[in-house]
Amino acid sequence: AQSVTQLDSQVPVFEEAPVELRCNYSSSVSVYLFWYVQYPNQGLQLLLKYLSGSTLVESINGFEAEFNKSQTSFHLRKPSVHISDTAEYFCAVSSSGSARQLTFGSGTQLTVLP
Amino acid sequence: DAGVTQSPTHLIKTRGQQVTLRCSPKSGHDTVSWYQQALGQGPQFIFQYYEEEERQRGNFPDRFSGHQFPNYSSELNVNALLLGDSALYLCASSLARGSVLTEAFFGQGTRLTVV
Repeated sequence: AQSVTQLDSQVPVFEEAPVELRCNYSSSVSVYLFWYVQYPNQGLQLLLKYLSGSTLVESINGFEAEFNKSQTSFHLRKPSVHISDTAEYFCAVSSSGSARQLTFGSGTQLTVLP
Repeated sequence: DAGVTQSPTHLIKTRGQQVTLRCSPKSGHDTVSWYQQALGQGPQFIFQYYEEEERQRGNFPDRFSGHQFPNYSSELNVNALLLGDSALYLCASSLARGSVLTEAFFGQGTRLTVV
């Protein structure tokens, strides 16, 4: 079985400040990791993913996440946030033991304050 | 490319009724998965369809059923609706390659309210 824990349910931060959204996973087999973003009343949009190779992955809008196998973490970071980054962020995992399904964390609401 | 499309966007049903939600996957994708997202929670996997068959199922009762058509589109049916079935229902499409999911695209969801 696999699980995902997002340690912070809400993260308020001022505009242009850095932010880190934490994600830890539990799995007995190799995993693929994802971050999705959800704006109000919308579906999920893929932000970035780790499949293999470099442990640092980046998105086109300035977010990055680092896969840390020893700490079973996949934290999401951005050096300078904008008001438009306000949204719910979900960490998810898939693995060979999950039969091609995604297991999601409970989400982190990022609110960027002016 | 229209991406993943779901219909309807919103729906209000009475307890005990039945509902059908629809999903068209992203062009080129052959696998459809359904997720339930209750308010304030992360999405929960309901089931997955590939080659017109249910391949995997999460921890949901038999009141939840589905179907996949030859054009890969899919329906989610929920019978005997309960108040607790109120949620955002998300459809995700992917390509069946290998035993691990490497990418999934989501629709905008159907907001179901049971009164």
